[in-house]
Amino acid sequence: GAVVSQHPSWVICKSGTSVKIECRSLDFQATTMFWYRQFPKQSLMLMATSNEGSKATYEQGVEKDKFLINHASLTLSTLTVTSAHPEDSSFYICSASLRRDNPYEQYFGPGTRLTVT
Amino acid sequence: RKEVEQDPGPFNVPEGATVAFNCTYSNSASQSFFWYRQDCRKEPKLLMSVYSSGNEDGRFTAQLNRASQYISLLIRDSKLSDSATYLCVVNSGDYKLSFGAGTTVTVRA
Repeated sequence: GAVVSQHPSWVICKSGTSVKIECRSLDFQATTMFWYRQFPKQSLMLMATSNEGSKATYEQGVEKDKFLINHASLTLSTLTVTSAHPEDSSFYICSASLRRDNPYEQYFGPGTRLTVT
Repeated sequence: RKEVEQDPGPFNVPEGATVAFNCTYSNSASQSFFWYRQDCRKEPKLLMSVYSSGNEDGRFTAQLNRASQYISLLIRDSKLSDSATYLCVVNSGDYKLSFGAGTTVTVRA
């Protein structure tokens, strides 16, 4: 149980285009989903927290107009990288929190490797 | 100062050896602590939670020292399959998790 999927697993796009990444909780309803970014040899950095039906909360330094998050249902959250540039190339990972009483318990998706050329 | 700091390693150990490493955290109000394991180019996976009294899960032992604000992980009888990057994770309030950059362990035959 508690499986999270992401799609696509990797994507290569040209500079200036937009890329949408989907995060789905397959066998549970996620109260909260989180989006992280990880650059090589660095730690996961939280980008934003999203709750179903409400606006995402972005971390300091993360541009909300560039990284659009939509959490339309309890099982799906999407991250759209708009007007991608090479510096946006990174490993994007989502996670989902299963229970309201233990939001620290997060289940991670397999990640999406984005390369912007 | 980073919220969570780890020795990046790598720790190269032979099979069967014991390896231990720490991480320090800066927020004294942190309440929950975890060790995650991350294999190359994969997502992190929860290895174990860390409790105040210390806890053990098979060959893995985790300790928490609140006074000095560090957490440790000890791996006994290392297996080749233990080769990975171990991430120290601390809750940073508002249900957010802060990740260390990881300690790389390589177990050789």
